[in-house]
Amino acid sequence: DQQVKQNSPSLSVQEGRISILNCDYTNSMFDYFLWYKKYPAEGPTFLISISSIKDKNEDGRFTVFLNKSAKHLSLHIVPSQPGDSAVYFCAASEGDGGIYFGSGTKLNVKP
Amino acid sequence: DAGITQSPRHKVTETGTPVTLRCHQTENHRYMYWYRQDPGHGLRLIHYSYGVKDTDKGEVSDGYSVSRSKTEDFLLTLESATSSQTSVYFCATRPLAGGLETQYFGPGTRLLVL
Repeated sequence: DQQVKQNSPSLSVQEGRISILNCDYTNSMFDYFLWYKKYPAEGPTFLISISSIKDKNEDGRFTVFLNKSAKHLSLHIVPSQPGDSAVYFCAASEGDGGIYFGSGTKLNVKP
Repeated sequence: DAGITQSPRHKVTETGTPVTLRCHQTENHRYMYWYRQDPGHGLRLIHYSYGVKDTDKGEVSDGYSVSRSKTEDFLLTLESATSSQTSVYFCATRPLAGGLETQYFGPGTRLLVL
């Protein structure tokens, strides 16, 4: 059973508005969370991360929020731009072990 | 970009044939990984290496073997390919002193097993 879940396979947003991508996890031992962005025919690239000791991390237009009690994290993109259109993967890790990925959410930002 | 190349980029093969995928890096990174990406599953770890000749199994290692005889090369072998191994395979590397956010991915290999 997947330990990291992204229940929305796709999301469409108007340029300039906020994009909110959601992710849920089941393993309470996960202590580090990451978001990756992936364009077609390319490998994923790291976007932003957050440690389990924090509840928010911000980097420019991107902010990740972590709610440990709900085992939920979200990625906010404000304002959304057409170049943000890609597949976004949520991922989680426990210690120095492997990274567990969600199934991805395809974001389409309309001009 | 950590100078990661994967070969071949695309391959079509038949069930029962052996297949080897190659990952090559030029960054002298200590750790190397092989993932597969399938619809509805995201990326799943197959095998990883923490040094030359040091490898370990990941989440979905059955039917796969790996070898790392040089720092720069990590080979993934399907001894007898099956249709369930049709997937996109990604290699990744990470430096010894780097956190998980320093894991860089290659461009992927698309494998079709008929």
